[in-house]
Amino acid sequence: IVLTQSPGTLSLSPGERATLSCRASQSFSSSYLGWYQQKPGQAPRLLIYGASRRATGIPDRFSGSGSGTDFTLTISRLEPEDFAVYYCQQYGSSPLTFGPGTKLDIK
Amino acid sequence: DVLLVQSGGGVVRPGESLRLSCAASGFIFDDYGMTWVRQVPGEGLEWVAGINWNNSTAGYADSVRGRFAISRDIAKKALYLQMNSLRAEDTALYYCARVGGRPFGDYPFDFWGQGTVVIVSS
Repeated sequence: IVLTQSPGTLSLSPGERATLSCRASQSFSSSYLGWYQQKPGQAPRLLIYGASRRATGIPDRFSGSGSGTDFTLTISRLEPEDFAVYYCQQYGSSPLTFGPGTKLDIK
Repeated sequence: DVLLVQSGGGVVRPGESLRLSCAASGFIFDDYGMTWVRQVPGEGLEWVAGINWNNSTAGYADSVRGRFAISRDIAKKALYLQMNSLRAEDTALYYCARVGGRPFGDYPFDFWGQGTVVIVSS
């Protein structure tokens, strides 16, 4: 399953709303869709699993939605620490795959 | 706390071998699948291999199948990646990660190691 993310780069200001898209080459269960955040020099961190479930300790400004082939990560009000790269992943079908990432940077 | 501490990276020549290790603590190791993910600097994440909680099943990316082998030692609470016939394109930062359930698929990767660098160069 090939995952495509858009946009490649998103430039926003703190306090704004961010909407990141992940599209799959074929439909799969939303139970197997996750989102990760990666900051420079750090390992990725799990944000969302099962398309819409927040991982432990993740603030509620992060939310996920979607089904089939189209999934969305929304950050309701950007905080300075949210500027990072975001990856979607499908983990239901081997080979497990990641999207190419969306870089969220400060406008 | 869950902790994954990696070791074993380095610089090797094409065709040589290297073994990566990942020492786990803070959780019941044989209750979880484990996995390896790599990242070329400045690029995205690539899943490399995964293994079930009980060593019964492993899976590989096409790019490494037949050259890499994932294994785990439950007694030592350690995960390994044996990398043979290394190529320049295997150069990357390699992460180990815990899978959130027993099979290596079906669950997200909920805890990650710090990463270890592998450079394959003549």
